[in-house]
Formats: sequence, structure tokens, C-alpha cells
Amino acid sequence: GESVGLHLPTLSVQEGDNSIINCAYSNSASDYFIWYKQESGKGPQFIIDIRSNMDKRQGQRVTVLLNKTVKHLSLQIAATQPGDSAVYFCAVSGDSGYALNFGKGTSLLVTP
Amino acid sequence: NAGVMQNPRHLVRRRGQEARLRCSPMKGHSHVYWYRQLPEEGLKFMVYLQKENIIDESGMPKERFSAEFPKEGPSILRIQQVVRGDSAAYFCASSPRDSQGSNNSPLHFGNGTRLTVT
Repeated sequence: GESVGLHLPTLSVQEGDNSIINCAYSNSASDYFIWYKQESGKGPQFIIDIRSNMDKRQGQRVTVLLNKTVKHLSLQIAATQPGDSAVYFCAVSGDSGYALNFGKGTSLLVTP
Repeated sequence: NAGVMQNPRHLVRRRGQEARLRCSPMKGHSHVYWYRQLPEEGLKFMVYLQKENIIDESGMPKERFSAEFPKEGPSILRIQQVVRGDSAAYFCASSPRDSQGSNNSPLHFGNGTRLTVT
């Protein structure tokens, strides 16, 4: 079955620095990848997604990188702000065709 | 444009009671997904429904749990005879189409129902 993991459970960065959150997945057939942000007491909020035919995609202050060779996904946040403090989840398409498999999450703490 | 609406936000039940969690998808969305999240864990898929059809319930426990998405009204996740281990946050998500279709679309989540079983 699919396993999705994140390399670090917590990440502390200073305001203004860049943040990088990593995610490894195991199913080489996965073809759709999403990053979500979850603030306390709220549901996951879509940040950015990428399909397997791409290796990089940029949004506003965020970049997702996909390395299919090593089955690794990363989220880069530029000029991190206090409002970026949250838990970040990667979600990966699975075998079922309907379910997304979520990692356990990385808690990002932005200090002033 | 309202997002995915879940209610109640918090639900407390005693062991053995029934819990009913409701989810109204985003306007124009006909696909609903239920996920469960334990403390400090990621979300685990439970069930995927379209109107009046259960498409995939592979993540749903075989007993006590059921889900429906009627032609009219919200999707309901029902847990009968709740036990302490059912305490979790239950999230509903919706999409305009199958999230794994030829045009992948991200799931939009509600803010969840936090079930506490005492």
C-alpha cells in the first residue's frame, strides 16, 4: 500500500526566511500531488498541486518540486510570514483512484 | 460562494449513542469524500460518494459506520454505538468531479466535526 511520510515533524524558521518542507511517497504510480495547510481548528486548505508530467510548479510565494525518480516532493515557501505558521500536509493519489493518501504533517513555526 | 459546510462543529456523545455528522458540499460539487483525523495524524480516507451512490467505502470500518449522500440534502456520516476510539475530527471534502479523473481537481475541505466520545 501507499505510505506517505514527511522528513521532519516540526520546522522552526525566522520571519523572512525561506522554508522547505519535504515529503516522500512510495507508490511510483502516483500521478497527482497536493500540498495542504491546516491551521488549528480548521480543515485542510489547498495550497498548490502538481501532476506527474511536471517537476516544478510555482504559485504566490510557494513552489512545489517533484522528483519522481526518488519519489520525493517538496514545498518551498518564500519570505515566510507569521501567518504561514500551521501544519503542512502532502497528499498523494493512491491506487484506489478516489482516495488521497496524506502524510502525518509538518508543523511550521515562524518566529519574529 | 460558500465553501464546504459541516455541522455540528463539535459533538459529544456517550459510549453507545449514535453520532450523525452532516456535510453540504460546495455549490456545483457532486462528489463528496469523508476523512478521519486522529490527533497529530494525517487524514485517512473513509468513503467517497456521489449523489445517491457510494463509490468507494474501502476506508470505512465494516461495522457501525455508514454514509449516504441523498438526492436532496447534505451527506451524512453515521456512527452507531460510538466507542471512545471513534473520537476524532471528521472532515468532509467535495470536488466538482472525480478527483482522480483525467483533469485532477483538488479536494476542498470543510472545517470538520470534532467528535468526542465520553
